Amino acid sequence: RKEVEQDPGPFNVPEGATVAFNCTYSNSASQSFFWYRQDCRKEPKLLMSVYSSGNEDGRFTAQLNRASQYISLLIRDSKLSDSATYLCVVNRGGGYQKVTFGTGTKLQVIP
Amino acid sequence: DVKVTQSSRYLVKRTGEKVFLECVQDMDHENMFWYRQDPGLGLRLIYFSYDVKMKEKGDIPEGYSVSREKKERFSLILESASTNQTSMYLCASMGGTSYEQYFGPGTRLTVT
Repeated sequence: RKEVEQDPGPFNVPEGATVAFNCTYSNSASQSFFWYRQDCRKEPKLLMSVYSSGNEDGRFTAQLNRASQYISLLIRDSKLSDSATYLCVVNRGGGYQKVTFGTGTKLQVIP
Repeated sequence: DVKVTQSSRYLVKRTGEKVFLECVQDMDHENMFWYRQDPGLGLRLIYFSYDVKMKEKGDIPEGYSVSREKKERFSLILESASTNQTSMYLCASMGGTSYEQYFGPGTRLTVT
């Protein structure tokens, strides 16, 4: 089983739609979780951290389910500018620097 | 704003050549990383450094070495480039109190 697994997509959604991505992780000792966004031919950038209690940033909501070992990202009222690849990132434990990146879920928002 | 720069955006090298990729960050970050990104495989950690002259192997260090002589600069060295090292190479830095990694724009290396 991969350390971090994501559905590669693409998810093609109309503007204004709500879309959700899940990401599963295998290491139950993982403590820190993140979503990064990567635009085409650009570098990844942090979108948001994922806290145990869940967190929201505008149209974006991130949730953590430790029992089932997955994190989720919900995007409401999708915009064309949300089109990107969303990378799930999980800390491995044994040193805070080491994280594992998922292969990403591609989102295409259609006019 | 944190800025991470990489020496080249595109590089073409021949098999067997020694290749140097350089990365510079301007935020006095302790931690620096080298990843490669390949379709379907995502970002994979090659090496990281948590202090000057300190380094630790990542998941795929074979065929690579690194150098960190100054805090702001982290170099990736391909001792003898091979075609399977054709990839996008991304450098990142991270401070000591935050988990956020800041990436450079990447170097697309082609080995022919």
